[in-house]
This record gives sequence, structure tokens and C-alpha cells, in this order.
Amino acid sequence: EPEVTQTPSHQVTQMGQEVILRCVPISNHLYFYWYRQILGQKVEFLVSFYNNEISEKSEIFDDQFSVERPDGSNFTLKIRSTKLEDSAMYFCASSDVARYEQYFGPGTRLTVT
Amino acid sequence: GESVGLHLPTLSVQEGDNSIINCAYSNSASDYFIWYKQESGKGPQFIIDIRSNMDKRQGQRVTVLLNKTVKHLSLQIAATQPGDSAVYFCAENKGGYSTLTFGKGTMLLVSP
Repeated sequence: EPEVTQTPSHQVTQMGQEVILRCVPISNHLYFYWYRQILGQKVEFLVSFYNNEISEKSEIFDDQFSVERPDGSNFTLKIRSTKLEDSAMYFCASSDVARYEQYFGPGTRLTVT
Repeated sequence: GESVGLHLPTLSVQEGDNSIINCAYSNSASDYFIWYKQESGKGPQFIIDIRSNMDKRQGQRVTVLLNKTVKHLSLQIAATQPGDSAVYFCAENKGGYSTLTFGKGTMLLVSP
């Protein structure tokens, strides 16, 4: 069964450093998303992406964040200058043309020290 | 602001019991609802969805009920098994490919 994959599974970085989180969505999906989950809290939407552009973004997704689809398979989330409060699980999700369900990857745990 | 929330943070049941997990939503524009299961250290796993033109939908051992009058969503799990132990989230969206708004989550604990 096709699945969303994410790398790395755990990323530790120092405050102020740039990080790139990587995702490979399900191959025939056209809509891509990033969510985050701070420990013990609910999953929060960050951004959605379709046709090589951002379609929606939340208040969390400020100028420090960017997304890119550098090739036909990868979807990345970049945080330019990480802050302590960026520590969270980051989930990538994708959905296809005809269905609404968003399928989530296993997540990347980002720890900012 | 409008939000999705859950009534019970933890639900403990015995194996074989039926479980009911509840969710309240407040965004009247939402027309699509999803239940996700999240096991420790994993991403949310799709369980079942329902659109606002329905009030009930059944899957394998799971049923979702939607009451638009009181803006209430529930997930029923029949013959609950230890493998069902996880956090369950309801999520809503306004249709199409728009964002999902998640509720806080309910921990389901199933004792053998």
C-alpha cells in the first residue's frame, strides 16, 4: 500500500540554524500539506501546496518557513532560523485529486536546543 | 475563534466492549469530518470520514455519527481490541482540499 514517507525521523538542531524536513508524498497525489504537533497538543495545520504554489497557510507559517517541491517526488519544509518553540513533530500529508482523505507520514521529530 | 474539541480526554474500556469517542465542532461551514487514530510515535492514521450530507457512515468495526443540529460527531468502535489503544482525533474541513482543523484528542485505553 502506498504511503507517505518522511526523513529524517529525528532532527536535532541548535537555535538559529536552518533545517530542511523532507517528505515523499504518495505518487499520484497532487495536494501536499505540512502539519506540526507540539508534544501533548493537537495537530496544527501549517501549509497546503498545490500546482507548485501555496494554496493556504496558517498564522504559524511565518516568513521563517518555506516549502518547495524541488522535483517530481519530494516536498520539503524549510525553517530558516529555528527557535526553541519550533520543537515539535512535523507531519507531511498528501491527498489525491478525487478523494478528500489526507494521508499522513510518520513524522519528523524536530528538537531545537 | 471556531474550533473542534473533544469532551473526554481519556476513555478506558475492557476488551470486547464497544467504545464511543465524542467530538464537538463549532464551525458551521465545515462539511467534511474525519477521524484519525494516532499510535505513539506515529503519524495520524485515517479511520473513517463523513460528509455533512450524511448522518451515519459505517466501516469495519467503526461507525461515525454526525449530528449537525448540535454540531456533534462521534466514533463508535465495536468489540474494542487492545490494538485499538491510541489517541483518536476528530478533524474537520470546509470541503475540497482545504486545511484540516484537528481536535485535541482522546486517549483510548483498552484493557485485556
